[in-house]
Amino acid sequence: QVQLQESGPRLVQPLQALPLTCTVSGDSITSGDYYWAWIRKPAGKGLEWIGHVYRSGTFIDNPSLEGRVTLSIDTSKNQFSLDLRYVTAADTATYYCARGAIYFDYWTGNTSDGAFDLWGPGTMVTVSP
Amino acid sequence: SYELTQPPSLSVSPGQTARITCSGDVLPDHYAYWYQQRPGQAPVLLIYKDSERPSGIPGRFSGTNSGTTVTLTITGVQAEDEGDYYCQAPDTSGTYWMFGGGTKLTVL
Repeated sequence: QVQLQESGPRLVQPLQALPLTCTVSGDSITSGDYYWAWIRKPAGKGLEWIGHVYRSGTFIDNPSLEGRVTLSIDTSKNQFSLDLRYVTAADTATYYCARGAIYFDYWTGNTSDGAFDLWGPGTMVTVSP
Repeated sequence: SYELTQPPSLSVSPGQTARITCSGDVLPDHYAYWYQQRPGQAPVLLIYKDSERPSGIPGRFSGTNSGTTVTLTITGVQAEDEGDYYCQAPDTSGTYWMFGGGTKLTVL
């Protein structure tokens, strides 16, 4: 049974960096057709996609975060990570890591990114002096 | 602001049918996905590719797509269905993911 678990600091100083790691257990992070994502939810607000990383190390991040995001993957440790720089109070949220399914269209031979089918329990992060 | 629009809240009595809509210009061109988030828990995938249900998701959850609106239907609502529901789709470029603002379902 595959499981995801977020880890990292619970309190971060303003303008510092927030490093989070997601550890995948129960299977190799390179098996199957998946990509690996970060999503957050500020208290009282909705879900916000932060970005996702492929096993190749290529990543895509949310333009609304203005280039503050770096995503990476360490296949030897079965982990993927988020680094969010220059945090402010607006970055206070529960952060989730998730697995995304990659769909293959047998008619066209094309692949597409799909649903987040497995989530970690989440970790609450507060940005405060 | 959200490019996927959901009603903020919906209240239904147990046993009734709940229909949660999600509207957006991208929906005729891209699949939509639905998640349930109960209080204090991580989101759970309910529907993928507009209408497909993952294994383990009860049959009372179903999804439809009618152009610029997708609908999550819960037939025979139960108390345990109370929570927040989110739709998800890519943006117009197909590159970035978006979530709707969420709909809080209350079971009376």
